[in-house]
Amino acid sequence: GQNIDQPTEMTATEGAIVQINCTYQTSGFNGLFWYQQHAGEAPTFLSYNVLDGLEEKGRFSSFLSRSKGYSYLLLKELQMKDSASYLCAVSGESWGKLQFGAGTQVVVTP
Amino acid sequence: DVKVTQSSRYLVKRTGEKVFLECVQDMDHENMFWYRQDPGLGLRLIYFSYDVKMKEKGDIPEGYSVSREKKERFSLILESASTNQTSMYLCASSPTGTGQGEQFFGPGTRLTVL
Repeated sequence: GQNIDQPTEMTATEGAIVQINCTYQTSGFNGLFWYQQHAGEAPTFLSYNVLDGLEEKGRFSSFLSRSKGYSYLLLKELQMKDSASYLCAVSGESWGKLQFGAGTQVVVTP
Repeated sequence: DVKVTQSSRYLVKRTGEKVFLECVQDMDHENMFWYRQDPGLGLRLIYFSYDVKMKEKGDIPEGYSVSREKKERFSLILESASTNQTSMYLCASSPTGTGQGEQFFGPGTRLTVL
């Protein structure tokens, strides 16, 4: 079967760094996605990793280790607007079809 | 910019009613998806379609059907709505072929079945 695990909730203060971990066990692998979803809104794409290593995009970075079935999303210089749910999703055997984790709610406090 | 629209943001229906949720995308994407999102369970795939008139079951298809008569439109049908189908329904689309397979989401329809 397929399984994607990420923590339910994380809290951090404004200006700090938070790392959201995601572990996965899937049949096949065609890439890992991170999405951001603010309350009541649609998920929006943040990052994509298909090769091992770190992808940096401004304040957000995403890391992948395929051999360990592990990824993390790093949010730096946290801002209040970063309070949202962060979804880890894996493209497995069927390209284009994603399996989502339950999401990690990040709460940024002043 | 890709735009995915859904027919309603909020919908209230009664048990046993037939419910239609419509999704339209304007970027000529081949792939379209219907998910439901529930607290603690994340996004679960109901049905998806790789082409017009083509559909495949996702992880939780029971109680649902879909229709894709035109490339830009993907409809989700609840034949006889039940209270356990109260949920947030999200539609998504993505292009096929080379590329990373990123999905673009609509704003969602919050359905309440009484």
